[in-house]
Amino acid sequence: GESVGLHLPTLSVQEGDNSIINCAYSNSASDYFIWYKQESGKGPQFIIDIRSNMDKRQGQRVTVLLNKTVKHLSLQIAATQPGDSAVYFCAENIAGNQFYFGTGTSLTVIP
Amino acid sequence: KAGVTQTPRYLIKTRGQQVTLSCSPISGHRSVSWYQQTPGQGLQFLFEYFSETQRNKGNFPGRFSGRQFSNSRSEMNVSTLELGDSALYLCASSYHNEQFFGPGTRLTVL
Repeated sequence: GESVGLHLPTLSVQEGDNSIINCAYSNSASDYFIWYKQESGKGPQFIIDIRSNMDKRQGQRVTVLLNKTVKHLSLQIAATQPGDSAVYFCAENIAGNQFYFGTGTSLTVIP
Repeated sequence: KAGVTQTPRYLIKTRGQQVTLSCSPISGHRSVSWYQQTPGQGLQFLFEYFSETQRNKGNFPGRFSGRQFSNSRSEMNVSTLELGDSALYLCASSYHNEQFFGPGTRLTVL
């Protein structure tokens, strides 16, 4: 029979526009979060992280926002480029180096 | 600094067989975690090893096991393979919680 996969949220943006990818996490006690980018056929690539004592962290073209009140993370990518097309995951630290991963968001950049 | 390496990159096995996957972490990283990635379940945590000891374990059956050596290299073993074990197996090495992934081993069970 047909296999049922996870329904991945999708986001399409024009090249040069800003992208915002959202993620809800489950455990209010989680104190560390990572955003990953995964391209087809590759392992997840570390983009940026944030600890719960911060609400914003900026990297090169990326910004992560953390709202602990509503258990929400967002990843903002400035001036999105075709090379940014990938699946993006947020990961929530559960214990030690055990992380719980969201289902991911598929980002497509339209040239 | 070299990244996380995993061998083999691709593997085809038949039901009932067993398989061993290998992971070499980034130099200096003592923690190695294993994840299974499938289209149906996404990325799921298998277990974590730190200084040769299993520190955390996910909800997988006992057919999935692992170990870590004194040089931090890790292996995971899956016995009595089932069709549903077909997946991308990812290894991640960590230093102070920052976790970096390898390219994965694509296992196909026929």
